[in-house]
Amino acid sequence: DAGVIQSPRHEVTEMGQEVTLRCKPISGHDYLFWYRQTMMRGLELLIYFNNNVPIDDSGMPEDRFSAKMPNASFSTLKIQPSEPRDSAVYFCASSFSSTEAFFGQGTRLTVV
Amino acid sequence: EDKVVQSPLSLVVHEGDTVTLNCSYEVTNFRSLLWYKQEKKAPTFLFMLTSSGIEKKSGRLSSILDKKELSSILNITATQTGDSAIYLCAVIAGGGADGLTFGKGTHLIIQP
Repeated sequence: DAGVIQSPRHEVTEMGQEVTLRCKPISGHDYLFWYRQTMMRGLELLIYFNNNVPIDDSGMPEDRFSAKMPNASFSTLKIQPSEPRDSAVYFCASSFSSTEAFFGQGTRLTVV
Repeated sequence: EDKVVQSPLSLVVHEGDTVTLNCSYEVTNFRSLLWYKQEKKAPTFLFMLTSSGIEKKSGRLSSILDKKELSSILNITATQTGDSAIYLCAVIAGGGADGLTFGKGTHLIIQP
């Protein structure tokens, strides 16, 4: 297995634009997590899914953020409209039940 | 609100030194504590600790959990420049279906 795959690796966009981040979890994993990492706040859990169903989205900062998992092999995190303070590295991770999570390489988002 | 605190935030030592990184937590219904190493990209899994007092070891790295003190330590002996990284501590709590709550990490720099 190639591990958790995220795309794009880097994204630079203008304030107000829509941004879509993509994630392919490890096959067979039933949990998928979206994290945001900044210098100030470290790694923060945004939302997680179990068997494609969103379980806890309390970490999603605002209504501008939304996430979907239409099937077991794909998830998106969307920011609309984007703002400069959304600039961060966004990680997707997956796990099998309550075991260790495996992380993707992250998407570095810069909103100018 | 679950909380994970790591110390020190930053540490610079010379190659060959031994270092001890600390992690303390305040969570509801603790289940497991995990250590990750993050270099330039995604965090990579090191250890998962569930039982108190049982040391886990991998080469020069070892870790132990103390449930009475609500803490864990990560030891690295005979440090090498390749050990330079951010070391993240995370806790799984609640019903076991929750995402990881991360500390802000310890930035370890090993000088030649």
